[in-house]
Amino acid sequence: GAVVSQHPSWVICKSGTSVKIECRSLDFQATTMFWYRQFPKQSLMLMATSNEGSKATYEQGVEKDKFLINHASLTLSTLTVTSAHPEDSSFYICSARLGLAGITDTQYFGPGTRLTVL
Amino acid sequence: GENVEQHPSTLSVQEGDSAVIKCTYSDSASNYFPWYKQELGKRPQLIIDIRSNVGEKKDQRIAVTLNKTAKHFSLHITETQPEDSAVYFCAANQAGTALIFGKGTTLSVSS
Repeated sequence: GAVVSQHPSWVICKSGTSVKIECRSLDFQATTMFWYRQFPKQSLMLMATSNEGSKATYEQGVEKDKFLINHASLTLSTLTVTSAHPEDSSFYICSARLGLAGITDTQYFGPGTRLTVL
Repeated sequence: GENVEQHPSTLSVQEGDSAVIKCTYSDSASNYFPWYKQELGKRPQLIIDIRSNVGEKKDQRIAVTLNKTAKHFSLHITETQPEDSAVYFCAANQAGTALIFGKGTTLSVSS
């Protein structure tokens, strides 16, 4: 149980285009999902917290108009990188929280999406 | 906000030896402390976690200890094996908030 999927697993796009990444909790409902970004040999940096049915909460320094997050259902959150540029190339990983906030807090990660912007 | 420091950044051990990775956190309100193992190009995998009402937790060769007073927690791996080689991340959060990660420790186990 507690499986999180991400699609696509890798994507190559041209500079200026937009890319959508999907994060799904396959066997549980996740009212909250998180989006992280990871550069090579570095840690996971939180980008935003995605709550079902409400606007995402972005971390300081993350442009909300560039990284659009939509959490339309209890099993799906999407991250759209708009007008992508080479510096947006990175490994994007989502996680979904299993359980009720304040009661249990285990987070499970998706397999990640490697984005390369040419 | 929470800040998590992790040491060492790299750790090399011989197969069969023990490995210890240490983390400190800044927010005394944090009450959940998981450890993740990440192999190259793959997702982080939860290997063990501990909550603030417990001082120690063990799962076979892996154990985690928590000192709330000092605000630090440690991962202990005994009888290390080559397949334990990976990057290990500690994290901390207050229930309901996002995990904040340490910078990671690259563990190399040589046979």
